[in-house]
Amino acid sequence: DGGITQSPKYLFRKEGQNVTLSCEQNLNHDAMYWYRQDPGQGLRLIYYSQIVNDFQKGDIAEGYSVSREKKESFPLTVTSAQKNPTAFYLCASSARTENNEKLFFGSGTQLSVL
Amino acid sequence: QQQVKQSPQSLIVQKGGISIINCAYENTAFDYFPWYQQFPGKGPALLIAIRPDVSEKKEGRFTISFNKSAKQFSLHIMDSQPGDSATYFCAAFSGSARQLTFGSGTQLTVLP
Repeated sequence: DGGITQSPKYLFRKEGQNVTLSCEQNLNHDAMYWYRQDPGQGLRLIYYSQIVNDFQKGDIAEGYSVSREKKESFPLTVTSAQKNPTAFYLCASSARTENNEKLFFGSGTQLSVL
Repeated sequence: QQQVKQSPQSLIVQKGGISIINCAYENTAFDYFPWYQQFPGKGPALLIAIRPDVSEKKEGRFTISFNKSAKQFSLHIMDSQPGDSATYFCAAFSGSARQLTFGSGTQLTVLP
């Protein structure tokens, strides 16, 4: 099956701890994204990558870091600097064309603070 | 600054009724307007999309109406079913900036 796999489904972070969320895609998409979803606030862009070994900050990048060493993988690290990490995190990829942006999303990771 | 404003935040409709969700945008550079549907615990999925050169697009029970002069677009769900209960997000894409901006979402509940 082609798609985007996020793991784990649920993750708990202790105070001062860094945690890493996994995102893997087998759609052969060049672009990948991380969004944060909070109730009533829609989707906010954390980081995105248009090509391997390159990524850009989104609207709320502070306290997060990413890497893009392989086309298929785009892990997100939530660092201890992110003081309010509890949220639903969504990874997406896109088959980019000139005139549209069709995002394919994973099933998300719910991160909670212990 | 929120570039895509979505309303209402929540909507309750009886089975068989029409659900209407509205979005307004400010940036005239937006040139592609998708709607996403999200069920609890899942990622959003593309539902339907429209370009500004047409005023309406219909796919089954789902219709997008687009008013370019007013910079508004809306999603109409005809004959709403309990299985349509989900959160709906409008979005807008700028080809020049290559940015997709989401609205804040509408939680739709269709009562049986």
